[in-house]
Amino acid sequence: DAKTTQPNSMESNEEEPVHLPCNHSTISGTDYIHWYRQLPSQGPEYVIHGLTSNVNNRMASLAIAEDRKSSTLILHRATLRDAAVYYCILRDGLDFGNEKLTFGTGTRLTIIP
Amino acid sequence: EAQVTQNPRYLITVTGKKLTVTCSQNMNHEYMSWYRQDPGLGLRQIYYSMNVEVTDKGDVPEGYKVSRKEKRNFPLILESPSPNQTSLYFCASSFTGMGEQYFGPGTRLTVT
Repeated sequence: DAKTTQPNSMESNEEEPVHLPCNHSTISGTDYIHWYRQLPSQGPEYVIHGLTSNVNNRMASLAIAEDRKSSTLILHRATLRDAAVYYCILRDGLDFGNEKLTFGTGTRLTIIP
Repeated sequence: EAQVTQNPRYLITVTGKKLTVTCSQNMNHEYMSWYRQDPGLGLRQIYYSMNVEVTDKGDVPEGYKVSRKEKRNFPLILESPSPNQTSLYFCASSFTGMGEQYFGPGTRLTVT
């Protein structure tokens, strides 16, 4: 799987929008961009995923650069509950075998009250 | 409620004493998987299963066994645990394809 690069940590104020960047310069045309997060003492939790177009769901938005070499996860109004480690993961859409997720080190997001 | 459950949540055991960590999902998912999470190493896949009676090794399968006799259950078996298997274990499940994966709450295992 292609590699992703994320900042080790970020801070944001409560009730402010948060933009979490991810670089994936070696992404292939069939790689989907997935975001998961892991809250303290919990298992990873799916956030969102996309291929080319920007995506929105009840948790977040995913903005994908036109060249697909980077993407940004947007939390529109951060709450204390959003404090977690956020992982940006690439998965090949043509891989119909193992559904393995390759977790990197992620971005530790701290929310300041 | 759609969920993946794991039992036990915490376990302290001694070297060589066989143990089983259970994983169950109620979403009729075909795919199930086990990961271990260690500081500095992130999450690494141990075994996975594409469907009933179909299992295969992940990245770190040594010292572990699995079985998939029913679609909902995917137990992780440590026949002879060793201290280097002290870790936080997560079970995950999903439909096959690009959909979201659901993770269990984790099992913290300590082998002394």
